[in-house]
Amino acid sequence: DAGITQSPRYKITETGRQVTLMCHQTWSHSYMFWYRQDLGHGLRLIYYSAAADITDKGEVPDGYVVSRSKTENFPLTLESATRSQTSVYFCASSERGHREANEKLFFGSGTQLSVL
Amino acid sequence: GESVGLHLPTLSVQEGDNSIINCAYSNSASDYFIWYKQESGKGPQFIIDIRSNMDKRQGQRVTVLLNKTVKHLSLQIAATQPGDSAVYFCAETQNFVFGPGTRLSVLP
Repeated sequence: DAGITQSPRYKITETGRQVTLMCHQTWSHSYMFWYRQDLGHGLRLIYYSAAADITDKGEVPDGYVVSRSKTENFPLTLESATRSQTSVYFCASSERGHREANEKLFFGSGTQLSVL
Repeated sequence: GESVGLHLPTLSVQEGDNSIINCAYSNSASDYFIWYKQESGKGPQFIIDIRSNMDKRQGQRVTVLLNKTVKHLSLQIAATQPGDSAVYFCAETQNFVFGPGTRLSVLP
């Protein structure tokens, strides 16, 4: 079952380049999230979206842009990549909003991004 | 701001022993907590959850305890197996905050 998929799995880019990480979910979950995972910092929320065309900043939004034109897709764009954005990026989705009790996040497999 | 933290970054246990992973939180208004397991190269996966109106919840080989007085929760894994080796995160769902994680290593 595909569920939630991220692409690419690995990406190497150079400082200053624009990079877009893709996230697609097949559950029609209303909420979607982007986290970055770094040693010593755990998972930090970048942006999240409660529904199509609704996005909100998380803990570390600077340098990132998101959009949610369709419920199933939630791309994350680094407009001008910096070395500090080298990280593993995880997309997640949740039924939150449809059933209050079901707030668990379902995560993709991650994108390992290296900015040289 | 809110934070969710763990007392120990790493934990090593013998196969067959019980494991206890601890987590402290700072937001007293948090009412729902989830434990996730992350295996190498994968995203975190749901293990068990607990609401603030409960002190204890049990699953298969796992138990979560919540102490609201001291804002602390723990994950207990019974009869730890090699497949339990992973990083474990606690998360409070109100603000989508995760703790830094504890790496559990199971020794043969």
